[in-house]
Amino acid sequence: KQEVTQIPAALSVPEGENLVLNCSFTDSAIYNLQWFRQDPGKGLTSLLLIQSSQREQTSGRLNASLDKSSGRSTLYIAASQPGDSATYLCAVRPAEYGNKLVFGAGTILRVKS
Amino acid sequence: NAGVMQNPRHLVRRRGQEARLRCSPMKGHSHVYWYRQLPEEGLKFMVYLQKENIIDESGMPKERFSAEFPKEGPSILRIQQVVRGDSAAYFCASSTTRGGADTQYFGPGTRLTVL
Repeated sequence: KQEVTQIPAALSVPEGENLVLNCSFTDSAIYNLQWFRQDPGKGLTSLLLIQSSQREQTSGRLNASLDKSSGRSTLYIAASQPGDSATYLCAVRPAEYGNKLVFGAGTILRVKS
Repeated sequence: NAGVMQNPRHLVRRRGQEARLRCSPMKGHSHVYWYRQLPEEGLKFMVYLQKENIIDESGMPKERFSAEFPKEGPSILRIQQVVRGDSAAYFCASSTTRGGADTQYFGPGTRLTVL
């Protein structure tokens, strides 16, 4: 059974700091891994999707890496801003019939101005 | 192109009533997924549907919960005889295909409160 763990559960940093969010998964048989952002009371916004054959994806100040063999992914946020404050969710799509996503519990990020 | 739409956004029901949650996928998307987010927990997969077919319902509770995605109209998640433990945010997502490269796009969610 695939399980996804995110560390830390919460993080508070001053504005401008670079930070890393961690995600680990127990079964390396995945199609892809996705990072989402969730604002309080809102839905999910997809940030980056990494296919199992890829090592990393970049979008603006965000960079996500994937090491499938070790079951790890990191989301790097450069020059953090107060607007980055949100919950960040990691999800994997297991390589099995069904197409579902398995989510971690998330990291709550607060960027202080 | 409108995103995934869910309604209502907030729903209040008393114990024993029925709750109906609706999801309209993005235009051109024929695959719909329902997820539940309990307070202080991550999202959990419930069910995956294509038009007129349930593909994977491995995350659905065995009783009181059902889902459909008819040929015409939105997907419906139905919860019968709701209990307080059903209070949660229910999210719908849609995709174009079930291929490995596909991204699921999420709606804003329906927040169900059971009194």
